[in-house]
Amino acid sequence: DVQLVQSGGGLVKPGGSLRLSCATSGFTFNLFSMHWIRQAPGKGLEWVSSISHDGGFIYYADSVKGRFTISRDNAKSSLHLELSSLRAEDTAVYYCARFPTYSALDHWGQGTLVTVSS
Amino acid sequence: EVVLTQSPATLSLSPGESATLSCRASQSVSSHLAWYQQKPGQAPRLLIFDASKRATGIPARFSGSGSGTDFTLTISSLEPEDFAVYYCQQRSHWPPLTFGGGTKVEI
Repeated sequence: DVQLVQSGGGLVKPGGSLRLSCATSGFTFNLFSMHWIRQAPGKGLEWVSSISHDGGFIYYADSVKGRFTISRDNAKSSLHLELSSLRAEDTAVYYCARFPTYSALDHWGQGTLVTVSS
Repeated sequence: EVVLTQSPATLSLSPGESATLSCRASQSVSSHLAWYQQKPGQAPRLLIFDASKRATGIPARFSGSGSGTDFTLTISSLEPEDFAVYYCQQRSHWPPLTFGGGTKVEI
């Protein structure tokens, strides 16, 4: 079975940093691009960042560009998101998700809550 | 950026009834549109991709149609577990991937 298990998250002060991780299993990780999507409390879904299967192509939403860094470790089948210069508006549940080519976000992690508050 | 507008915001129906959800794109996204279902406290689940293809394990009562700028998700006979929020998402013009604002299907 395809599994995406997230870790990290928690409460952080404005301006602080945090690292989210997404450990995967049940598929050949290095064949798939991966994405991060977030959802502010009571709100809809917002795409955050993506990384191609080999890490060669990386994209960010304008709202996080320059503050967040996506990375992957294909040897360990894991995905990461470094969050820095955090703001109150970054408070959200963050999901990792797999994106097969020419398809959609077909498997998602369980989500992890990031709360930015003093 | 492609803006996706979903309507209605809320749909109040009873089990056994049919649900019709709409998603309109600000520019053509061809057939590169997906639908997701999200229940409270859970991650979204992929239902439909490429406008009309059901994802693995999705019941036949869920169907998608449309192309270009107008898309529809139909749930032919609502089961109790279908009451949830539904989102559309496009991959035709990205980055960024964009999502609609969601339609809540409530009892």
